[in-house]
Amino acid sequence: KQEVTQIPAALSVPEGENLVLNCSFTDSAIYNLQWFRQDPGKGLTSLLLIQSSQREQTSGRLNASLDKSSGRSTLYIAASQPGDSATYLCAVRQHQGGKLIFGQGTELSVKP
Amino acid sequence: ETGVTQTPRHLVMGMTNKKSLKCEQHLGHNAMYWYKQSAKKPLELMFVYNFKEQTENNSVPSRFSPECPNSSHLFLHLHTLQPEDSALYLCASSRQYGQGHTEAFFGQGTRLTVV
Repeated sequence: KQEVTQIPAALSVPEGENLVLNCSFTDSAIYNLQWFRQDPGKGLTSLLLIQSSQREQTSGRLNASLDKSSGRSTLYIAASQPGDSATYLCAVRQHQGGKLIFGQGTELSVKP
Repeated sequence: ETGVTQTPRHLVMGMTNKKSLKCEQHLGHNAMYWYKQSAKKPLELMFVYNFKEQTENNSVPSRFSPECPNSSHLFLHLHTLQPEDSALYLCASSRQYGQGHTEAFFGQGTRLTVV
């Protein structure tokens, strides 16, 4: 059974810092991995999608990497801003059935 | 805007009430999903519809009844809910279910409170 774990559960950093969020999964038979952002009480906004054949994806200040064989992904946020404060979720799409399995998220707070 | 719209945004209902959640997507997708998000828990997949046909029911209690009249619309009919059903209910869509390399798009959610 696929399990997705995100570490840390919460993170507080001063504005301007570069930071890394971690995601690990137990079954490497995945199609892709998707990083989302969720603001309090709101829906999910897709940030980056990495296909299983890819190693990384970049969008602006965000860079996501994928090491499928070791079951790990990282989301790197450069020069963090208070507006980056949110919960970040990673999810893997399984080969079997195509389900999207989520981690519990990392709650990020960027202090001015 | 993600192209997936959910209504209402907030809903308070009594345990004997009947209500419905609505989801609409304007992305031309063929798969639609209901997820439940409870406090401090990962998102839980409830139902999947692919080309209007239900393909997944993740052991959801019968007090939750989904309906998918066409590929653009998805409903979740609620009746005789329990307080523990209070949660954020999220709708999502993707091009096709079971097609691996597809991206999921989510709505803003309906915050449901059962009193």
